[in-house]
Amino acid sequence: EVQLVQSGAEVKKTGESLKISCKGSGYRFSSNWIGWVRQMPGKGLEWMGTIYPGDSDTRYSPSFQGQVTISADKSISTAYLQWSSLKASDSGMYYCVNSGGSPYYFDSWGQGTLVTVST
Amino acid sequence: QSVLTQPPSASGTPGQRVPISCSGSSSNIGSNTVNWYQQLPGTAPKLLIYSNNQRPSGVPDRFSGSNSGTSASLAISGLQSEDEADYYCAAWDDSLSDVVFGGGTKLTVL
Repeated sequence: EVQLVQSGAEVKKTGESLKISCKGSGYRFSSNWIGWVRQMPGKGLEWMGTIYPGDSDTRYSPSFQGQVTISADKSISTAYLQWSSLKASDSGMYYCVNSGGSPYYFDSWGQGTLVTVST
Repeated sequence: QSVLTQPPSASGTPGQRVPISCSGSSSNIGSNTVNWYQQLPGTAPKLLIYSNNQRPSGVPDRFSGSNSGTSASLAISGLQSEDEADYYCAAWDDSLSDVVFGGGTKLTVL
């Protein structure tokens, strides 16, 4: 069974950096796309980007290109989402997602990491 | 404003069949497959339908997907109280080079 276990909730201040994680298990980590989807409070879903751990091919949504960095360490089956300087508008729930086929639909979802950024 | 358009709400009584529509354009639904996600209250979304009409293992056959031209539809038959959730459609958009989602439809079981 595919499992995606994300790191815990974070409370940060504007301007701070942050890296959240997602550990995959139950499948061959290097061979599936793994990505991130944002959901702001009370709002819908937004795809941020995805990475293929096998060769580090990374694709970003134009909305998030340059705003975040997606990476993966296949030796520990873990993907990351990173900010260098948080803004209050980065507050939201971030879901890790796994794609066994196309990188653009999401078979499995992590439990979510709530990020709260205050001024 | 979402690229894919869904009705904000839908409702039905137990046992009924409820359709949820998703309208797009030639650059998304018109040229790529549609996927549907279900988000139960307070939980992470779950893949419900992929590639227009395929159900992942474990999804009841009460859920079905279809599309025609630049629109897609999710149908839930034999409605049950546990189907009360938010439903999202999504597709790749060739013009935007982005995965686009609908704004979501909140389904209420009366």
